[in-house]
Amino acid sequence: GAVVSQHPSRVICKSGTSVKIECRSLDFQATTMFWYRQFPKKSLMLMATSNEGSKATYEQGVEKDKFLINHASLTLSTLTVTSAHPEDSSFYICSASRLNTEAFFGQGTRLTVV
Amino acid sequence: SQQGEEDPQALSIQEGENATMNCSYKTSINNLQWYRQNSGRGLVHLILIRSNEREKHSGRLRVTLDTSKKSSSLLITASRAADTASYFCATVRGNNRLAFGKGNQVVVIP
Repeated sequence: GAVVSQHPSRVICKSGTSVKIECRSLDFQATTMFWYRQFPKKSLMLMATSNEGSKATYEQGVEKDKFLINHASLTLSTLTVTSAHPEDSSFYICSASRLNTEAFFGQGTRLTVV
Repeated sequence: SQQGEEDPQALSIQEGENATMNCSYKTSINNLQWYRQNSGRGLVHLILIRSNEREKHSGRLRVTLDTSKKSSSLLITASRAADTASYFCATVRGNNRLAFGKGNQVVVIP
């Protein structure tokens, strides 16, 4: 099956700094990728749709300036958590899929802001 | 609100037993998908069932779909300790976005 690689798997950063998370589609070109956030023992919450070559589409309630998404190529999308605060600590997961088929997920990134 | 909201459930079963979990959704679908998540990891696709299918098998997994009731079930037969995980159903919204349910945490006791 297709592979989506997400990096880093864990990151600890100081409050006020920015953190970049990468999501790579390794064996297919993904014009669209998705970013999710997951709180402990909860389901995945879709944050935004990353569109190659254009602006990301954010879900209602997600701050665009806080969570910057760049999808500069067909295989790479990045999520940057800007000016991170402890409440941004969470598990972030990306995915990519072809239309109407299963999604392939990255390994997830555990962000801890101290 | 998200579609694909299965009944919140935590299952604790003995190895060898079957585990059944349910999922309900609210709108029409093209397909419904089940995913598995080990603690602190990404999701792994298990099975996709299309709206014109009623049942699908994959190894020890059996998925049913009832579009009239807008519900689906996932059955894991002859469970193993390695099946311990959270299981989510998901439906596809516009632009290929997935909407996940609340998840079912399954613990298989050796």
